[in-house]
Amino acid sequence: EPEVTQTPSHQVTQMGQEVILRCVPISNHLYFYWYRQILGQKVEFLVSFYNNEISEKSEIFDDQFSVERPDGSNFTLKIRSTKLEDSAMYFCASSAVVGFPGEQFFGPGTRLTVL
Amino acid sequence: KNEVEQSPQNLTAQEGEFITINCSYSVGISALHWLQQHPGGGIVSLFMLSSGKKKHGRLIATINIQEKHSSLHITASHPRDSAVYICAVGNTDKLIFGTGTRLQVFP
Repeated sequence: EPEVTQTPSHQVTQMGQEVILRCVPISNHLYFYWYRQILGQKVEFLVSFYNNEISEKSEIFDDQFSVERPDGSNFTLKIRSTKLEDSAMYFCASSAVVGFPGEQFFGPGTRLTVL
Repeated sequence: KNEVEQSPQNLTAQEGEFITINCSYSVGISALHWLQQHPGGGIVSLFMLSSGKKKHGRLIATINIQEKHSSLHITASHPRDSAVYICAVGNTDKLIFGTGTRLQVFP
């Protein structure tokens, strides 16, 4: 069964460093999402991506964040200069449905720890 | 005020009990999603619905669009149902999540 994959599963970094979180969505899906979940809190939307551009982003997704689909299979989230408060679980999701948002398939998450 | 409210926040049950988790929302939606989050953190989509009722195995989800309310029912609950159940609503290009209901089912 097709699934969304994410790497790495756990990333530890120093404050101020750049990190890139990687996702491989399900191959025929058209819509891609990043969400984050700070420990003990609810899941929050970061950004949605369709047709090689951002379709919507939240207030959290400031200039420190960027997304890219560099090669038609990977979908990446970059944080340019990490802060302590960026420590969270980051989930990638993808959807095949035209019309927003359809059923979303989530990856297993990347736990980011900023020291 | 949260746009998506769930109740209860925590729920314990004995194996075999019938369980109901409620979700109310205050924004316009394209669809409502019920998700399950396992202790390891992974999220699985259970249902997406925009009207009426859906059933999958022992799980039933209903939605009342006029009242902006949805329920997730689990019949004949089992310890393997122990997880966090999350209601999320589709709004423009994003999902807005509730805080989740932590369910523990004891044998």
